[in-house]
Order: sequence, then C-alpha cells, then structure tokens
Amino acid sequence: QSVLTQPPSASGTPGQRVTISCSGSSSNIGSNYVYWYQQLPGTAPKLLIYRNNQRPSGVPDRFSGSKSGTSASLAISGLRSEDEADYYCAAWDDSLSGNWVFGGGTKLTVL
Amino acid sequence: QVQLVQSGAEVKKPGASVKVSCKASGYTFTSYGISWVRQAPGQGLEWMGWISAYNGNTNYAQKLQGRVTMTTDTSTSTAYMELRSLRSDDTAVYYCARQPIYCSGGSCYLDWFDPWGQGTLVTVSS
Repeated sequence: QSVLTQPPSASGTPGQRVTISCSGSSSNIGSNYVYWYQQLPGTAPKLLIYRNNQRPSGVPDRFSGSKSGTSASLAISGLRSEDEADYYCAAWDDSLSGNWVFGGGTKLTVL
Repeated sequence: QVQLVQSGAEVKKPGASVKVSCKASGYTFTSYGISWVRQAPGQGLEWMGWISAYNGNTNYAQKLQGRVTMTTDTSTSTAYMELRSLRSDDTAVYYCARQPIYCSGGSCYLDWFDPWGQGTLVTVSS
C-alpha cells in the first residue's frame, strides 16, 4: 500500500490530453514539493517534473505539473506513442524521522 | 555527461549480505548526495535512504534501520549500499540516484532524484 495514491492506469489516443492524479496528506504533499518520474519499460526512472511544476531541461513542455492542497496532478498534452510508460509521483513525508514516499505508479497506455 | 554506473546483478541466499556500488562521473561528487531506491518485481518504487557525499551524513528509511548501511568513497566518486540479513522480499532492482539539497527562505530540503543509475538486480533465493 503506497502512501501516495495514484490511479493504476490511464489511457488516451495520440494528440489527446491526459492527466494523472496523486493524492497524499498534510505530512507529505500538503507541506512539501511534489516530483514526477517517468519509467519507460525496462529502464530506470527519469525526472519529469520537480518542485510541483518545474521542468528539467530537455523535458518537452507537453508535460506540466500542478499541486493544490494535498493533491497533485501531471498533465500530458499532445499525447505521443513514446509517452507510454509508468509515471510515479513522489514527495518528502515529515512524519516519523522523515522519508521520501512514492505513489504506486500509473501505467499510461497510448491507444 | 552526468552518469551513475552501478555494479552487476547479484544472487544471494537468505540471511546473507549484499553490497551494491554506484560510480559517479560528470559532476563534482561531493556537491550532491546519493539516494537509494528499490523496486520489487512488478511493483512500485521504495526509498531506502540518502547519504551526503560531502560529509557522509545519512538518513535511512525507518523500515530498513539496522539492516542497511550507505557509504561513499570520495577518492573514487563511488557510493555503496550494503543490505544485511537478506530475505526473499528484498528481491528487487536497486537504483542509486543523485540528489541535491535545495535551500530557500532559510530552510533546506532534499530535492529531485536525477539521474538514476541503470539498476542492479538483487535476487534472494535459497
């Protein structure tokens, strides 16, 4: 059971806009930044969004992140076949001695 | 380019220990920390802990306290993660990832994981 809650799957057709949600609590998303990672099949995760809505250089502006209260979301516009991957949200959690927590991951299928 | 290269796959028996290495290149090793994250087969990501390459300070996930030790060798820009008393549910791909500290408004935070190593499969089986 992951601390952050994501839908297990999402899908869309090429060119569509899809969003992936990530729900947490006051000790993680509610008080800390949210990060998003993309994991293509058989590869290591890759940083997609940092500090809620910042894109690293090289990440297309089709990817955007937002946060409100204890929830966050990742939006992908102009969906492409190469976007088919697993997406994970992450945040620092202030409870106990502090630790990073992840969502369970959302498998995005491009139909 | 910034790169993290990990050691090869391991097969261990229950109760044994494993030590995975992560060699960094393309950046100043001591200016960042290294986090370790694992992923069981078909499962999500689990953070294991962080070590500062600057001063060796560590922060381990409570679940693994007492079984995990993270170290660095600044002379070779290499980070290590040792996990002891292995169990079958420790079977996973283990990743290292570079992680900076971000400071703003008088407070400092651990920031993004980037890049990640290629992963090391550790299989625990009798």
